[in-house]
Amino acid sequence: DGGITQSPKYLFRKEGQNVTLSCEQNLNHDAMYWYRQDPGQGLRLIYYSQIVNDFQKGDIAEGYSVSREKKESFPLTVTSAQKNPTAFYLCASSSRDRLREQYFGPGTRLTVT
Amino acid sequence: QKEVEQDPGPLSVPEGAIVSLNCTYSNSAFQYFMWYRQYSRKGPELLMYTYSSGNKEDGRFTAQVDKSSKYISLFIRDSQPSDSATYLCAIETSGSRLTFGEGTQLTVNP
Repeated sequence: DGGITQSPKYLFRKEGQNVTLSCEQNLNHDAMYWYRQDPGQGLRLIYYSQIVNDFQKGDIAEGYSVSREKKESFPLTVTSAQKNPTAFYLCASSSRDRLREQYFGPGTRLTVT
Repeated sequence: QKEVEQDPGPLSVPEGAIVSLNCTYSNSAFQYFMWYRQYSRKGPELLMYTYSSGNKEDGRFTAQVDKSSKYISLFIRDSQPSDSATYLCAIETSGSRLTFGEGTQLTVNP
């Protein structure tokens, strides 16, 4: 089965700790994205990558970091500098020439207390 | 001004009703317009997209773009309880990214 996996589904952390969210795809897509979803605010783009070893900041990159060492993987680290990290995080991928057709993972709900 | 705006609702309709979901956008240069559906606690899935202006139909779903008004719509005919979800409009705002609306939460009551 082709698709995107995100793990874990639920994650709990104490304030001040960094946490890394996993995203893996086997769709052979070049482009990958990280979004954050809060109630009433839709999806906001954190980071995106169009090719291995390259990524760009989205609209709300502060307090987050990413890496893209492999085509299949695009992990997101939520650092202690992120002021309000509790949210639902979604990873997506697409082919480079059809970015409008993004395939989403099931999401990770992060709670920081 | 936001690039894409969408009324978050919530919207509640009886089964069988025609549903109209809408978004407005700011830049007349945008060309690709998408509708995603998101069930509770799941990732969004692409329903359909349109290029430029006009209508596109897929079963009970019709997407419409009015470029003169910068207005996009999704119509659902004969709505079913299984259509209950959040519907997100999205626009390709550059060659490398989408911008999403806030999402409209729809409930179809049996």
